[in-house]
Amino acid sequence: DIQMTQSPSTLSAYVGDSVTLSCRASQSISKWLAWYQQKPGEAPKVLISQASTLETGVPSRFSGSGSGTDFTLTITGLQPEDSATYFCQQYFLLWTFGGGTKLEVK
Amino acid sequence: QEQLVQSGGGVVQSGGSLTLSCTASGFIFSDFAIHWVRQAPGKGPEWVAITSYDGSSSYYADFVKGRFTISRDNSKNTVYLQMRRLSADDTGIYYCVKHRLAVTARAVFDSWGLGTRVTVSS
Repeated sequence: DIQMTQSPSTLSAYVGDSVTLSCRASQSISKWLAWYQQKPGEAPKVLISQASTLETGVPSRFSGSGSGTDFTLTITGLQPEDSATYFCQQYFLLWTFGGGTKLEVK
Repeated sequence: QEQLVQSGGGVVQSGGSLTLSCTASGFIFSDFAIHWVRQAPGKGPEWVAITSYDGSSSYYADFVKGRFTISRDNSKNTVYLQMRRLSADDTGIYYCVKHRLAVTARAVFDSWGLGTRVTVSS
């Protein structure tokens, strides 16, 4: 099984700031990584696939990078609506999610 | 727009069984593989199972193998999850999720339903 570890578990930042969320896989997954955003009471929504490909309709302030075992999600120019929990997911071998990073935008 | 509506959740005693249903609309159901994904309170999502577009191929997470069965009826645009020998660890919200492909190959998750809550009491 491939394990996904995210850090930090919680993060607080101000409107306009930039933040970077990290995700590490227990083995190489090439670029088979996605990022999802989940708001309270809602289902997750995919933001990025293939480690760095922005999904249709996702604001350009979101970007992803990495390959192999280490990946990052960067949000530049934080907006209040970015307050959410962010999950990474590997889909190299079946599907596994990380534990999430809860982001609070003040 | 694409919709997936889950039903069948509820409270069940440890060791019991439950069958979840998911009915889809807004897309050609028989063209896509479908997943079941669960999420325990305060935890990240956990992939449970996938069935291919025609039901000929299915895969399961290790923690449900031999206990859960995924199936689909394309004439009813519905996918099912039969759950047996339930334990407290199976408690959570169960979502049905549209795969981006017809087959069970590498791809991300597309549309999610709103989920149905399963509580296993001891």
